[in-house]
Amino acid sequence: QQQVKQSPQSLIVQKGGISIINCAYENTAFDYFPWYQQFPGKGPALLIAIRPDVSEKKEGRFTISFNKSAKQFSLHIMDSQPGDSATYFCAASVSSGNTGKLIFGQGTTLQVKP
Amino acid sequence: KAGVTQTPRYLIKTRGQQVTLSCSPISGHRSVSWYQQTPGQGLQFLFEYFSETQRNKGNFPGRFSGRQFSNSRSEMNVSTLELGDSALYLCASSWNRALNEKLFFGSGTQLSVL
Repeated sequence: QQQVKQSPQSLIVQKGGISIINCAYENTAFDYFPWYQQFPGKGPALLIAIRPDVSEKKEGRFTISFNKSAKQFSLHIMDSQPGDSATYFCAASVSSGNTGKLIFGQGTTLQVKP
Repeated sequence: KAGVTQTPRYLIKTRGQQVTLSCSPISGHRSVSWYQQTPGQGLQFLFEYFSETQRNKGNFPGRFSGRQFSNSRSEMNVSTLELGDSALYLCASSWNRALNEKLFFGSGTQLSVL
């Protein structure tokens, strides 16, 4: 019940295309859903995050869509660029008193072809 | 402002040895969390420290331990190393334990156990 399932494992998109990564969870106590971006040799960096009281959040080319009833959320990268090539992780946590404990998905390796 | 600093960057040990990894959080950050990243298991939460006290712990054996000093710097120790402990160990810091506090990750320590 603590798992977060992420798909696809890898994704290849042409420059200018839309990249879509999906995550699903079981624990209804989760109330904070961040996405992290990780480049080789670096630690993950927070990209965008959402709470379940909203269905969508957009920051620049990055959008999170959240479906509370389906217990699913997804990351959309619009106008994908080669510089977006990285590994993306979704995560979830119970925010109350558990700031440091994130449950991560398995990651999606995104390659954006020029 | 300097980011999260982890030392050493790379480490090679043999089975049965012990190892200590160090983490210096961003100046002013008081919460430090540790994660283990492997290709098979992904990112897994080890523990979180705040005000020199362990506040949260993941599902790892007692061979994994940590501590936090009064200046918020943290160390983690792994005793009696096993081959399966080979991983990237990531430290993350945040200002406090407030809800949805943004976590900043270091670049990690790559541990290889031979």
